[in-house]
Parts: sequence; C-alpha cells; structure tokens
Amino acid sequence: NAGVTQTPKFQVLKTGQSMTLQCAQDMNHEYMSWYRQDPGMGLRLIHYSVGAGITDQGEVPNGYNVSRSTTEDFPLRLLSAAPSQTSVYFCASSYSAQPNGKQYFGPGTRLTVT
Amino acid sequence: GQQLNQSPQSMFIQEGEDVSMNCTSSSIFNTWLWYKQDPGEGPVLLIALYKAGELTSNGRLTAQFGITRKDSFLNISASIPSDVGIYFCAGQKGETSGSRLTFGEGTQLTVNP
Repeated sequence: NAGVTQTPKFQVLKTGQSMTLQCAQDMNHEYMSWYRQDPGMGLRLIHYSVGAGITDQGEVPNGYNVSRSTTEDFPLRLLSAAPSQTSVYFCASSYSAQPNGKQYFGPGTRLTVT
Repeated sequence: GQQLNQSPQSMFIQEGEDVSMNCTSSSIFNTWLWYKQDPGEGPVLLIALYKAGELTSNGRLTAQFGITRKDSFLNISASIPSDVGIYFCAGQKGETSGSRLTFGEGTQLTVNP
C-alpha cells in the first residue's frame, strides 16, 4: 500500500489563481479530511468526508471546495488563491467514519501564494 | 477555534533525559491521541487513548487519558536524538462530531546529544 499520497509537494501561486491539491489513499478508508498547518496553530480542519458523495465543512472552510466522487480520491480546490492561504496542507484518512482516532496523514503540500 | 492548550511550546533537553508534556481543554473529549511530526513530513500516530484514566505505553512513550476527560499527558523516557520533532495532542469528541480531530498547537522537542 502506498498509504496516503498528496501532489504536488510544493506549489507557488499568484493571488487570484486557482488550483487543485490532490489526495489519494489506497486503503479503502471511508473517512478523509483536509487540514492546514500554520506556525503555532497546530492543524486546523478545512473539510472532511465520511464516504463517497458526502462532504462537510470543518473549522476553516472559506476559500476551499472539495468533492468525493470515489472512495480513493479527495481533491481540495482553491477557487481564488489569497496570501492568507499560504500554508502546509495535509490530507488524512481513517478506516471508519466512527471515532477511533487512527487517522493516517499524507506527506503534505507546501503552498505559497504571492 | 482552537480548543486544546498544549504545553510547553518548546523543550530543549539533553540526550537521556525524560520529557513530559501535556494538553488541556475546556471541554470533554472521548478520545485523546498523540502524534509526532518530523520535519517535512505528515504527523504519525504514536498513542491513542479511549477511556478516562487509561495509561498506555508505546516503547519509551507513555500517555495518559486524564480522569476528567479534559486533559492528557505524554512522557518520553531516556530521550534519544531521533525523538526530535513536533509532538501534537489531538482530541476527538465523537458523537455528532464523528472522526473530527481538534489539535493542540504542538510541542517542539530538541534533544542535544
């Protein structure tokens, strides 16, 4: 198993550009989520999905869209990038949507918006 | 907003020393977790705690789920250089929140050989 994979690893955008961060998992996990990590703030939940076709907002959803058309993929779209979205983005997945804590994280995408 | 207070924010210790860090919350969590993040990588789960009062070990790491369900503690014994990294606590409320995790701000650990 490759686990949770994320692409790209690094990205630089200009303000106003759009892009999609890719996330995929090959563990047949039901639950997938996106976090952003900023210095001194830990990880904050952006959006999450409890299964294909079902998504919901997390703590900081503004400026981001998600969709979950398959179990394996959970892309994160930035509609119009802003400097405040400069951050490290992590995708995570868990076998079950039931709370068991065991979320597996991808290696992250480092995004800079100029 | 952020609900977990993690301390200390950073620690500088000598190899061989023991380390303690903790996480507190104003609200109750049903699951407490501890993750470690190495530079340039995603967090990796170290220990998961599911019951108030539970004490669980993973090698030199020991974590406890506070009896009030509002706090958790992580101890590392006999630290080694590869313990360097950022340690995060995370809480899961369960019930209507499902698998959502709330993270602490992290403890940056530096181990001097």
